[in-house]
Amino acid sequence: NAGVTQTPKFQVLKTGQSMTLQCAQDMNHNSMYWYRQDPGMGLRLIYYSASEGTTDKGEVPNGYNVSRLNKREFSLRLESAAPSQTSVYFCASSDYGGKETQYFGPGTRLLVL
Amino acid sequence: RKEVEQDPGPFNVPEGATVAFNCTYSNSASQSFFWYRQDCRKEPKLLMSVYSSGNEDGRFTAQLNRASQYISLLIRDSKLSDSATYLCVVTGLDDKIIFGKGTRLHILP
Repeated sequence: NAGVTQTPKFQVLKTGQSMTLQCAQDMNHNSMYWYRQDPGMGLRLIYYSASEGTTDKGEVPNGYNVSRLNKREFSLRLESAAPSQTSVYFCASSDYGGKETQYFGPGTRLLVL
Repeated sequence: RKEVEQDPGPFNVPEGATVAFNCTYSNSASQSFFWYRQDCRKEPKLLMSVYSSGNEDGRFTAQLNRASQYISLLIRDSKLSDSATYLCVVTGLDDKIIFGKGTRLHILP
């Protein structure tokens, strides 16, 4: 089992460009999450999907959109990238909800110039 | 008071020593508690769940104190490989997940 996979691993964007971060899990988990991690800020939840067909905002959703494409895949889209979105993005999944162990992908390092 | 607070460290500890971290949380209705470990430039990974009765896994012991609203992590006989950032995670009744900012641990040879 690959667990949680993310693509791409690294990306450089110019201000105003758009991109989609992909995430997939093969553990048959119901819940999936997108976090960003900045120095000194810890992990902050952007969006989550408690189950297939649902998505909800987390702590820092502005500037992002998500799609729960199916049970396996949860994508994060930046419509118009800004330098403030330079960060490391982690996708995670859990069996059902925040009371269960979360399994993280390896992360995407994004630089917005 | 911040929702989840940890001492950022770094804790510089000689190999073989015992080290303890605390993590305080503000929501008394919090339901689930975890310690995750994150190595430099890697993803977080679960170290231990924290149960009301406390739990132990080898050299690691986790405790929950609901009255004072904190959880603790004790590492005995520390190894060089224990060097990492330790993240406290608290989940509320509404399933809201809050990560602490982490405590950095350096084990010195």
